[in-house]
Amino acid sequence: GAVVSQHPSRVICKSGTSVKIECRSLDFQATTMFWYRQFPKQSLMLMATSNEGSKATYEQGVEKDKFLINHASLTLSTLTVTSAHPEDSSFYICSAADGPGQPQHFGDGTRLSIL
Amino acid sequence: KQEVTQIPAALSVPEGENLVLNCSFTDSAIYNLQWFRQDPGKGLTSLLLIQSSQREQTSGRLNASLDKSSGRSTLYIAASQPGDSATYLCGETSGSRLTFGEGTQLTVNP
Repeated sequence: GAVVSQHPSRVICKSGTSVKIECRSLDFQATTMFWYRQFPKQSLMLMATSNEGSKATYEQGVEKDKFLINHASLTLSTLTVTSAHPEDSSFYICSAADGPGQPQHFGDGTRLSIL
Repeated sequence: KQEVTQIPAALSVPEGENLVLNCSFTDSAIYNLQWFRQDPGKGLTSLLLIQSSQREQTSGRLNASLDKSSGRSTLYIAASQPGDSATYLCGETSGSRLTFGEGTQLTVNP
């Protein structure tokens, strides 16, 4: 149980393109979803927390207009990297939890490469 | 602000050896602590979760302990195997926020 599906697993695109990443909880209702960014050989950094039906809460230093998050249902959250540039290249990972303080279940991540 | 530290950053051992990975955190008011495994280019796989009221959890060759008073957790791996090679992350949850350590990169040599 508690499976989180994230796709695409890898994206390569040109600078200026907007990229959407989906995160789905397959067998539970995710009241809260989280988006993380991971640089090579570093740990995960929380970008934002989203609750179903409400606006996402962004961490300090994360541009909300750059990283658009939508959590329209209890099983789906999307992260859109708008007008992506090479510095946005990174590994993005989502997670989902079925309640406050509950364990987070992680997707397999998306490798984003902007040329 | 909670800070989580993992020692060592990297560890290389021969197959069959027992080993301990360390995790420390600065704020003892945690909700739970988790140990994760991350393979290269992959997401996180949860290994063990210890609630704040518990002192340890076991799963197969893995045993995780939690000492809130000292702000420490350890992950013990018995009889290590080459397939155990991965990065191990600890993460503590305060409220709904999960804070990760930098990870320990483990290599088990055949």
